[in-house]
Amino acid sequence: EAQVTQNPRYLITVTGKKLTVTCSQNMNHEYMSWYRQDPGLGLRQIYYSMNVEVTDKGDVPEGYKVSRKEKRNFPLILESPSPNQTSLYFCASRAGANYGYTFGSGTRLTVV
Amino acid sequence: QKEVEQDPGPLSVPEGAIVSLNCTYSNSAFQYFMWYRQYSRKGPELLMYTYSSGNKEDGRFTAQVDKSSKYISLFIRDSQPSDSATYLCAMKAQGGSEKLVFGKGTKLTVNP
Repeated sequence: EAQVTQNPRYLITVTGKKLTVTCSQNMNHEYMSWYRQDPGLGLRQIYYSMNVEVTDKGDVPEGYKVSRKEKRNFPLILESPSPNQTSLYFCASRAGANYGYTFGSGTRLTVV
Repeated sequence: QKEVEQDPGPLSVPEGAIVSLNCTYSNSAFQYFMWYRQYSRKGPELLMYTYSSGNKEDGRFTAQVDKSSKYISLFIRDSQPSDSATYLCAMKAQGGSEKLVFGKGTKLTVNP
């Protein structure tokens, strides 16, 4: 089944403890992206990648890192999480310029 | 002025009604327009993807883009209770950037 897989689905962590949310797609898509979704603010783009080793900032990149060493994987790294990064995170991928994004099921992160 | 404006609703209609969902935008560089449906606790699901102006139909769904007015619409015919979800518009400019801007979503309830 064609899909974007995120792990974990739920995560509670403490302030300052580094964490990684993994994202993998099995559709050989070029483009991948991370979003966070917050009540009243909607979906906001954190980082995106247009190919292996090509990444760029979205609208809210502060406090996040990404890497794209392989086409299928696009992990999101929080080096020192803070409570304002408590949110619902989505990874997404798409095949190319004339296609929409396919989203993963989301990761609900709570930072205490 | 926000780049993308979308009435959050909520919108409540009887089963079988025609539903009209809308977004306005301010960035004239937007060329790609998308509609996503998001069920509670799920990732967004792509419904429609259109390029530039015009109409696109897929089953009970019709997407319209009016670039002169900076206005896009999604029409749902013969609405069903299973259409109850939050509907998100999203837009992207042509060119190298993968920046995708979402509206905040309209929550729709279709009552049996």
